[in-house]
Amino acid sequence: RKEVEQDPGPFNVPEGATVAFNCTYSNSASQSFFWYRQDCRKEPKLLMSVYSSGNEDGRFTAQLNRASQYISLLIRDSKLSDSATYLCVVKGNNDMRFGAGTRLTVKP
Amino acid sequence: DAGVIQSPRHEVTEMGQEVTLRCKPISGHDYLFWYRQTMMRGLELLIYFNNNVPIDDSGMPEDRFSAKMPNASFSTLKIQPSEPRDSAVYFCASNNGGGRGYTFGSGTRLTVV
Repeated sequence: RKEVEQDPGPFNVPEGATVAFNCTYSNSASQSFFWYRQDCRKEPKLLMSVYSSGNEDGRFTAQLNRASQYISLLIRDSKLSDSATYLCVVKGNNDMRFGAGTRLTVKP
Repeated sequence: DAGVIQSPRHEVTEMGQEVTLRCKPISGHDYLFWYRQTMMRGLELLIYFNNNVPIDDSGMPEDRFSAKMPNASFSTLKIQPSEPRDSAVYFCASNNGGGRGYTFGSGTRLTVV
C-alpha cells in the first residue's frame, strides 16, 4: 500500500464549478499535512497547510480527519488558472511524502 | 530571496557517464531534500540532510547514487555510472524544520540515452 493515495483523475470541470479532491495516508504518526500545486513542467509549490480544525484560503478549503487518515481539498468557483496537478503531502518527523497527484483541468 | 537554485536545468548524457546535479538551498534553511519525479513513480524522496549531515538515505536507489553537502549553501547529487532508467526530473528542496512545507527548486531534467 502506498503511503499517500490520491485519485489520479483527471477531473475536467467547467469554470465556476466546485471540485473536491480526496487523499488517504497510511502512517498514523504523520504530523503535518499540505496540499501542493504543480503546473506542467514546473516545480511543486505549496498551496496550503492542512489543520485538524479545517482551514480556508479564499476559494480553497482543506480538511483533515486524523481518525480516518483522510485529507481533502475543496475548490470553489474554479478558474481556468486552477488547472494543474494537486499533490497531497504528508510529513512525518522531517521528511514529506507525496501522493501521485490529481490532475485538474478547468474548461471555459 | 532567490529561492532554491538548481543547476543545470537540463542535462542529456550518454549511458555510463557521470552526472552531477547541484543545489543551493535558501539561506538559513537547515534541511535539504533531494527528490526524483517520474510519471510512473511520482515524487520520491531520495535523501535529506540536516545541518549538512545526511539523515536518511533510504530512498537512494542504489550505489550508483551519492549525495554530499559540504557546506550549508551547497549540495550535489551524483550518478555514476548513469543508466537510461535514471531519466527523470530531480528536485532539490529546503526548509527550516518544524511543521513547515518545503520550497522546491526548478528541478533538473535528466535524460540518459
